[in-house]
This record gives sequence, structure tokens and C-alpha cells, in this order.
Amino acid sequence: ETGVTQTPRHLVMGMTNKKSLKCEQHLGHNAMYWYKQSAKKPLELMFVYNFKEQTENNSVPSRFSPECPNSSHLFLHLHTLQPEDSALYLCASSQGRDPQIGEQYFGPGTRLTVT
Amino acid sequence: GQNIDQPTEMTATEGAIVQINCTYQTSGFNGLFWYQQHAGEAPTFLSYNVLDGLEEKGRFSSFLSRSKGYSYLLLKELQMKDSASYLCAAMDSNYQLIWGAGTKLIIKP
Repeated sequence: ETGVTQTPRHLVMGMTNKKSLKCEQHLGHNAMYWYKQSAKKPLELMFVYNFKEQTENNSVPSRFSPECPNSSHLFLHLHTLQPEDSALYLCASSQGRDPQIGEQYFGPGTRLTVT
Repeated sequence: GQNIDQPTEMTATEGAIVQINCTYQTSGFNGLFWYQQHAGEAPTFLSYNVLDGLEEKGRFSSFLSRSKGYSYLLLKELQMKDSASYLCAAMDSNYQLIWGAGTKLIIKP
């Protein structure tokens, strides 16, 4: 247990569905992240929130919409996804962006399959 | 562009030593991370280097050479539970982590 939980752990959805991924951290951290992990590819940073403010959006398609209602919770809203969006979606948190403060802690991920 | 290179897969024997190399190119540099990821699980932090040299932490050590853009992770007295993917990530000047694709380490008895 890393102190970061994600639900659901597995999700299968059609291209016309709308679903949301949830992440919660119990570490008192101020920064939260969404990553996409595809097989044999590097982790791709999608979004960063620092003190509930979105600080980065790495050219992510608008069919992915993040929400950070408070510093402990992070959502990723999904709609009209494509099959190439099938991947493991990882949430992470850290005390701050500066690595001297601490490293990122990851949740177990949501395995998403788009049919 | 920003880039991380590490071998795709390595095989080693239980009880032996293995070194996983990583080279990086980033815009600015705020340190080098190593994470371990077992299949189906979250990546977990192993080490952070920002100064040149070797950092030892039990059976695992990590080395950094900033002038060469090079790091390695050294695993000693390998155990079967060390079978996992090892992710190298360099932090750029914007505090963004640039990740390698990971090295899958297979330990054989």
C-alpha cells in the first residue's frame, strides 16, 4: 500500500460511454498527477495539479477531462474514447513538485480497455 | 528533444549482481529517479540522485554522472522477488519527469 488508491481497478467501456476514474491520496500531499502507461512505452504525463490548480496539460485530447476538487482527490472523466486509449492509467502524488521535498507515490492504476 | 534510454530486458541469476544502465537528455536537470514496478502493480520509489556519485541503500545502489548524462542501478545478491521492471526517470528544469520505457529484469534460479 502506497497511500494512493484508485478505483476502479479494471474498466471496459465502449467508445460512446462516459466513465470516470477516481484517485485518492492519504499522504497529505499537495501535488497530484495522471499518467498513461502503455505496454513497452514510457510513462506519459497527462495532467498535473498543484494545490488543486492544474499546472500542466501535456497536449491531451479533450476526451480526457481532469477534475481536482481538493488536494486529496483527483478524477479523470472519460468520454467518446478510442481503442488506442486502452492502457493502464496511473495516479500519483507528491509533497510538491521539487524532488528535494520527496518522490512521487503511485496508485495501483486502472486498467482501461476501450472496445 | 528530451529522451531516456535503457535496455528493454535483462536476465540474471539468483544471488548474482546486475547493473541496469540509463542515459538521459533533458532540458535542464533536477535529478534522476529509479522506480521498481512488479507486473500489475504500482511503480515504487527506489532512489533519487542529483549529485554525482554512488548512493547505496541496502542491496540496491544508484550512480549518477551528470557530465555524461548517465546513471545506473546496481542490484546485489539478487532474489527472485527482484524480478520486475525498473524505470529510469530524469526530472527537467520544469520539474517534469521524463520516463524511460523500463527494463524488464528476469531472475533465474
